[in-house]
Amino acid sequence: DTGVSQDPRHKITKRGQNVTFRCDPISEHNRLYWYRQTLGQGPEFLTYFQNEAQLEKSRLLSDRFSAERPKGSFSTLEIQRTEQGDSAMYLCASEHPVQETQYFGPGTRLLVL
Amino acid sequence: AQKITQTQPGMFVQEKEAVTLDCTYDTSDPSYGLFWYKQPSSGEMIFLIYQGSYDQQNATEGRYSLNFQKARKSANLVISASQLGDSAMYFCAMREENTGNQFYFGTGTSLTVIP
Repeated sequence: DTGVSQDPRHKITKRGQNVTFRCDPISEHNRLYWYRQTLGQGPEFLTYFQNEAQLEKSRLLSDRFSAERPKGSFSTLEIQRTEQGDSAMYLCASEHPVQETQYFGPGTRLLVL
Repeated sequence: AQKITQTQPGMFVQEKEAVTLDCTYDTSDPSYGLFWYKQPSSGEMIFLIYQGSYDQQNATEGRYSLNFQKARKSANLVISASQLGDSAMYFCAMREENTGNQFYFGTGTSLTVIP
C-alpha cells in the first residue's frame, strides 16, 4: 500500500502525559499537512511542511504542540502535557508538488482521560 | 465568516437515486480550488472530486459530479445512482491560491442511503 500511513491509529493517555504521533506520506510528496478533527466538525488545519521546512502554523497550534519533519519524509506531531480538550482525531495529509489534491491518512484518534 | 458552509447536517436517499449535497464558499481570491471528500465511519478522508475556479466545465468523476456555480459561490456535489456504500460523511473544502496551502473544510453532511 503506497498511501499515507499514520501510527498509532488509537491512543489513550492520561491528562498531563506527552504523546507523539507519526505520519508517513506518499513517497515523492514533498508537502505534508497536519489537521485536527473534533466530533461533528470538519478537519482544522494545524501546520504544513514543504520538505523539511515548516512553512505555516495555525493559531490552534499552542506551545504544547510541536511538529517536525527532520528529513523531509516522515513527520511527527508531539503534544506535551495533554489536556482533555486535546481529544480528537489527528489527520495527516500529503500532496505532490504539482497536483492540487491532498491525500489523507487514516488518522490517529486521541483520547485524553 | 465561514469559508465553507454546508447547511445539510443529514441527508437520506433511496438506493439507486441521485442526491445533491450543498456547499457554498466565501473567498475574495480569484484563484481557488474546491474539493469534496468522503469520510466513512473508519475515519479516513477519501478524495472524490476537484474543481478549479478557472475551469470552464463542471468536474465529473464516475458517479460524482460537481455543480459549480461561480456567481453564486456554490459547489454542490451530485452523486448519481446511490449505493449503500455511499453512506458516510461528506466534506466540502476549499484552498485559496494566495493565502497559503491549507484546506478550509465545512462541517460536513451525513449521507444515509436507504435500501
